[in-house]
Amino acid sequence: DMKVTQMPRYLIKRMGENVLLECGQDMSHETMYWYRQDPGLGLQLIYISYDVDSNSEGDIPKGYRVSRKKREHFSLILDSAKTNQTSVYFCASSLGPGQNTLYFGAGTRLSVL
Amino acid sequence: GEQVEQRPPHLSVREGDSAIIICTYTDSATAYFSWYKQEAGAGLQLLMSVLSNVDRKEEQGLTVLLNKKDKRLSLNLTAAHPGDSAVYFCAASVGDNSKLIWGLGTSLVVNP
Repeated sequence: DMKVTQMPRYLIKRMGENVLLECGQDMSHETMYWYRQDPGLGLQLIYISYDVDSNSEGDIPKGYRVSRKKREHFSLILDSAKTNQTSVYFCASSLGPGQNTLYFGAGTRLSVL
Repeated sequence: GEQVEQRPPHLSVREGDSAIIICTYTDSATAYFSWYKQEAGAGLQLLMSVLSNVDRKEEQGLTVLLNKKDKRLSLNLTAAHPGDSAVYFCAASVGDNSKLIWGLGTSLVVNP
């Protein structure tokens, strides 16, 4: 079963707290992504990972970091969350370079108060 | 770099009507195009994808047209039904770096 799983689905944090968003995929995909989605702004790429410990900044990496220690698992970390990081975060995966079909998780709705 | 503009941002049609969404892009080297559907509260799902050497592709009531001269990609939902109500995104990729450039989405409502 081809699946991208995101945990948690909903999260409420206070400003300044640390946030960990987790993503797993069962397809042995090499490439994984973190996006955020905000009304009127579409999907913005935060980080892309080409494989274990091979991560690259996307278009809006500031305030975020990522970790990929296993191919099937990709984490997004917010150190000292800010209210403007309230958003819906999507993880996605693809087979590898040049394979542009993305498989998305259901998203994590994060509220930073 | 590549830019993708999508229109309209909102579209309302009646059941059985066609719904057409258009994306324009700037980079003539764009090699890969795709359309995704996002239902309420869910992630995006691939609908169709085409390479730049394809002008037309049809699958299950969906038609994708690619006009390279005008740098325009369109998605036509023929005979839309309420289950097609969702947000639709186009995406384009220039090379093999696995980065997609996304349109801002079209919110489609199909009324019974």
